[in-house]
Amino acid sequence: QSALTQPRSVSGSPGQSVTISCIGTTNDVGVYNFVSWYQQRPGRAPKLIIYDVNKRPSGVPDRFSASKSGNTASLTISGLQAEDEADFYCCSYAGGPYVFGSGTAVTVL
Amino acid sequence: EVQLVESGGGLVQPGGSLRLSCSVSGFSFSDFPMHWVRQAPGKGLEYLSAILGDGSFTHYADSVKGRFSISRDNFKNTLYLQMTSLRPEDSGVYYCAKDRVNGWSFDSWGQGIMVTVSS
Repeated sequence: QSALTQPRSVSGSPGQSVTISCIGTTNDVGVYNFVSWYQQRPGRAPKLIIYDVNKRPSGVPDRFSASKSGNTASLTISGLQAEDEADFYCCSYAGGPYVFGSGTAVTVL
Repeated sequence: EVQLVESGGGLVQPGGSLRLSCSVSGFSFSDFPMHWVRQAPGKGLEYLSAILGDGSFTHYADSVKGRFSISRDNFKNTLYLQMTSLRPEDSGVYYCAKDRVNGWSFDSWGQGIMVTVSS
C-alpha cells in the first residue's frame, strides 16, 4: 500500500494551466476507474473535486479536469486562479483499502 | 446539510488507547459506507479504514491492522474508531469521511480531530 506518486509542487501564473500527475500501479490506478482528486486548503478538510477518474461533483468549476492513461492519472487546472492555491491529492481504490497520493502543492505566482 | 463532527481526540501516552467518534447528520447514515483518514503534521493524507453501511464488512490499512477497529451505531448516527497500542507515528489529524452515492470516493468530510501520542 505505497502512496501514489505525485510531484511535490507545481506552479503557474494566473490564467495559465497546470497539470498534476499521479503515478500508481497495476494494483490500483491501472486496474480501477475509481480515481478521485481532493483539494485541501491550509487548516481545512479535503474537498472532493473529481471522482471516477474524470467526473466533477456539482459546484466544482469546469476549470478542473482529469484523465487516466495506464497507471497514471492526471489533474489539470485551466485558467489558474489565486483561490486554487492549495494541496491536491489523488486517491485510488486498490481492491480493499484505498491509497492516496503523496500530495502536490499548487502555487499561483 | 450533511455534517460530520469528530470528537474524542487528545493527548495519549505511547501504548495507550483512544476512541474517536464521528457524529453525522443530514443524510441516511445506514445507507453509506464510512471511512477514516488521517494526516500526520505537515504530511499527506493516509487512508486508514472503512466500514459498510450495515457494518457487515470492514477493512484496514496495513499500518493500523490489528490495532485499530472501526465500528458504527446506525441508531445513534455515529461512526467510531477504537485505537489501541498507539505509537508516536499515529499522531495527526483524524478525519471521518462519507462515501459518495455510488461509492468509490469521499464526498463529505468532518473538520478533523487531533490525536497526539507522546510521553
